Amino acid sequence: DQQVKQNSPSLSVQEGRISILNCDYTNSMFDYFLWYKKYPAEGPTFLISISSIKDKNEDGRFTVFLNKSAKHLSLHIVPSQPGDSAVYFCAARPGAQKLVFGQGTRLTINP
Amino acid sequence: SAVISQKPSRDICQRGTSLTIQCQVDSQVTMMFWYRQQPGQSLTLIATANQGSEATYESGFVIDKFPISRPNLTFSTLTVSNMSPEDSSIYLCSVEDPDSTYGYTFGSGTRLTVV
Repeated sequence: DQQVKQNSPSLSVQEGRISILNCDYTNSMFDYFLWYKKYPAEGPTFLISISSIKDKNEDGRFTVFLNKSAKHLSLHIVPSQPGDSAVYFCAARPGAQKLVFGQGTRLTINP
Repeated sequence: SAVISQKPSRDICQRGTSLTIQCQVDSQVTMMFWYRQQPGQSLTLIATANQGSEATYESGFVIDKFPISRPNLTFSTLTVSNMSPEDSSIYLCSVEDPDSTYGYTFGSGTRLTVV
């Protein structure tokens, strides 16, 4: 049972444009959502998070949107830069319980 | 954030053998977590390692296959026993990140290939 799903395994975006990565979840008990970024041969690094009491959180070029009714969250990166090329994982957890990860989306930023 | 040193970074092993992966954290932490990422898959929690008690394993993972040690608050090992090609994965340790509400800090991972 995949509780967190990233349906796009890959995404290619032109440098300077907006990258939008999507994530869907099924467990209504999830109340905290996170995005991680992973480069090859490195562990995932925390990028941005959002609590279920919010619908938007912004940090520089990165914005996460949460639509609780649709059980959907998205990560917007604008403008996209070549260094943003990586695999992005969304993750969710119910309170202090364990994190559940999606399958990841490989983002490629083209010059 | 905590800094985690994980080794080896990669290894190629013969089937039937065992590999022990080490994780060292630069601060004392209560819980350490071990994850597996199979090719093209999400990160899956194997077990939670608590100092002074047996590790807690997730469904589908057993102690005989993945024995874990946690001798102190800064160190843990995961052994992948009696390996088969299906164990080829990236194995990651992690700890909760006090600077990121409900976030984890991860080690750099161990890429294991079983031949």
